[in-house]
Amino acid sequence: SQTIHQWPATLVQPVGSPLSLECTVEGTSNPNLYWYRQAAGRGLQLLFYSVGIGQISSEVPQNLSASRPQDRQFILSSKKLLLSDSGFYLCVTQGNDYGYTFGSGTRLTVV
Amino acid sequence: DQQVKQNSPSLSVQEGRISILNCDYTNSMFDYFLWYKKYPAEGPTFLISISSIKDKNEDGRFTVFLNKSAKHLSLHIVPSQPGDSAVYFCAASALQGAQKLVFGQGTRLTINP
Repeated sequence: SQTIHQWPATLVQPVGSPLSLECTVEGTSNPNLYWYRQAAGRGLQLLFYSVGIGQISSEVPQNLSASRPQDRQFILSSKKLLLSDSGFYLCVTQGNDYGYTFGSGTRLTVV
Repeated sequence: DQQVKQNSPSLSVQEGRISILNCDYTNSMFDYFLWYKKYPAEGPTFLISISSIKDKNEDGRFTVFLNKSAKHLSLHIVPSQPGDSAVYFCAASALQGAQKLVFGQGTRLTINP
């Protein structure tokens, strides 16, 4: 079965600072990978998805970027954080059995 | 453009009664639907899913109904228990392509003792 590791669990960063959230997957190969964000009082919004190494698709224009340097590694980054980047970030993987596995999430607060 | 909609932001149900959560979708390419339960600061917990070739799927106290012509699905929880209190998300996916999960806005379910 798939296991997804996401870190850190919580992060408090000043406006203008950089960001790097990492997600790694075990138990599957060539998974689809996704980054979602839940802002306060809102649903889960898809930010990026990747169907393979180096392949990144962006769903919404924003201050963030994503990269997939290895098959089972997905990274969410920003060069300069904005207050509006605060939220709960989730890494999700979809393996060969159409099942979706969620990471434990990162609570990001930009101050 | 909200492709998956949960029009009730909250629902309150008496313990032991049936909880019915509703979800509508607009994209006819969706052919796989899921329900998740979520607590604050945690990832969603998978509850139940249904593919478009079925109109009903049951797992214990949870049943999902799909009405493809109306583009509507619902989650029934019976009997409702206090531990069911959480935010419930409906999600949809097309099994072709990137298979992205598109979520509704969520419904906060409160089970009253």
